[in-house]
Amino acid sequence: GENVEQHPSTLSVQEGDSAVIKCTYSDSASNYFPWYKQELGKRPQLIIDIRSNVGEKKDQRIAVTLNKTAKHFSLHITETQPEDSAVYFCAASIGNSGYALNFGKGTSLLVTP
Amino acid sequence: SQTIHQWPATLVQPVGSPLSLECTVEGTSNPNLYWYRQAAGRGLQLLFYSVGIGQISSEVPQNLSASRPQDRQFILSSKKLLLSDSGFYLCAWSGHSTGELFFGEGSRLTVL
Repeated sequence: GENVEQHPSTLSVQEGDSAVIKCTYSDSASNYFPWYKQELGKRPQLIIDIRSNVGEKKDQRIAVTLNKTAKHFSLHITETQPEDSAVYFCAASIGNSGYALNFGKGTSLLVTP
Repeated sequence: SQTIHQWPATLVQPVGSPLSLECTVEGTSNPNLYWYRQAAGRGLQLLFYSVGIGQISSEVPQNLSASRPQDRQFILSSKKLLLSDSGFYLCAWSGHSTGELFFGEGSRLTVL
């Protein structure tokens, strides 16, 4: 399948700081870009998603931006809290497959008090 | 409400033995179904997806196969396991109008 590159692989921030995770994709037909959070020992869960007809979406402390021309999208977490510590995965839909997704390799975020 | 179950939760199998992981969804009809493999440092790798009974799409050529014998049942199989098949396998479902994936509890397979 097409690739989704995610950076950084690990990220450590102090409580209250912002965290930014960036992803790029290669499939020009991708039109759906979700972000999943996986806490230790738990299943991945959707935290926010964005579709290709929107450039930015915000939900409280979390925001996602999308640049379709450059094929990259980013997750922004503001005012980080220790409970934000988890692995975050970006994903991009696979062409016209419905909602089959290619995932990035994940970013391990650690928020220290 | 919708629920998803997969089993077994853990499995230790010798090289060359067969495999069958099963996943069922309740509380919805005609879901999209997926099998992902999660390996450390490699994220979630899509193996198979299905938009309907008997419709299976494969994303990665491999030693595995998938089947959907019923609307809400998705099975991951292998005739002969390889060491490289070890990993954590996640089943998931989504509706047709939204893309949110709902994952099962996962199955950890160790091939010795």
